[in-house]
Amino acid sequence: DGGITQSPKYLFRKEGQNVTLSCEQNLNHDAMYWYRQDPGQGLRLIYYSQIVNDFQKGDIAEGYSVSREKKESFPLTVTSAQKNPTAFYLCASSIASGTVSYEQYFGPGTRLTVT
Amino acid sequence: QKEVEQNSGPLSVPEGAIASLNCTYSDRGSQSFFWYRQYSGKSPELIMFIYSNGDKEDGRFTAQLNKASQYVSLLIRDSQPSDSATYLCAVNQAGTALIFGKGTTLSVSS
Repeated sequence: DGGITQSPKYLFRKEGQNVTLSCEQNLNHDAMYWYRQDPGQGLRLIYYSQIVNDFQKGDIAEGYSVSREKKESFPLTVTSAQKNPTAFYLCASSIASGTVSYEQYFGPGTRLTVT
Repeated sequence: QKEVEQNSGPLSVPEGAIASLNCTYSDRGSQSFFWYRQYSGKSPELIMFIYSNGDKEDGRFTAQLNKASQYVSLLIRDSQPSDSATYLCAVNQAGTALIFGKGTTLSVSS
């Protein structure tokens, strides 16, 4: 059963703590993405990776970090430097987007609340 | 700054009617266009994508693209209450991630 999994579904943390969100895919996709969604807003790109051991900053990368050690996994760390971390975090994947852009598929999301 | 604009709605249509959702984008270099449906509290689900000018039909859904006018639309025929959701328009260029609009909320009344 192919797909994208994110864990946990809900996450609660105290301000000042780093937290890591998991994203795993078994679709054999090369490219993976992290987006953030705030209430009433569209999705904003945090980081993306088109190949293992390489990733690029998106529009709102400050306060976040990622790694891509395996094709299947793209974890996102929300650091204490992120000023407003409470949001709905979405991971997506697609076939590698070299010169052609392919559709992206999303995981179920992680809802992070920081107090 | 590349932008994707959508009317936030809500767009209200009666059951069985045609719902028309619209999207404009700023970057003439955009090559791929996507429509996602998002139910409240859930993640976006891909429903259509279109790369070439013209219409693309899939069941009750039709995507329309006009690159000269930088305009993409989604028509939903025979709208059902289960179509009530937020519809997100997304565009990108080759080798980049998607740029999303803020979405249009559709409400289909029975």
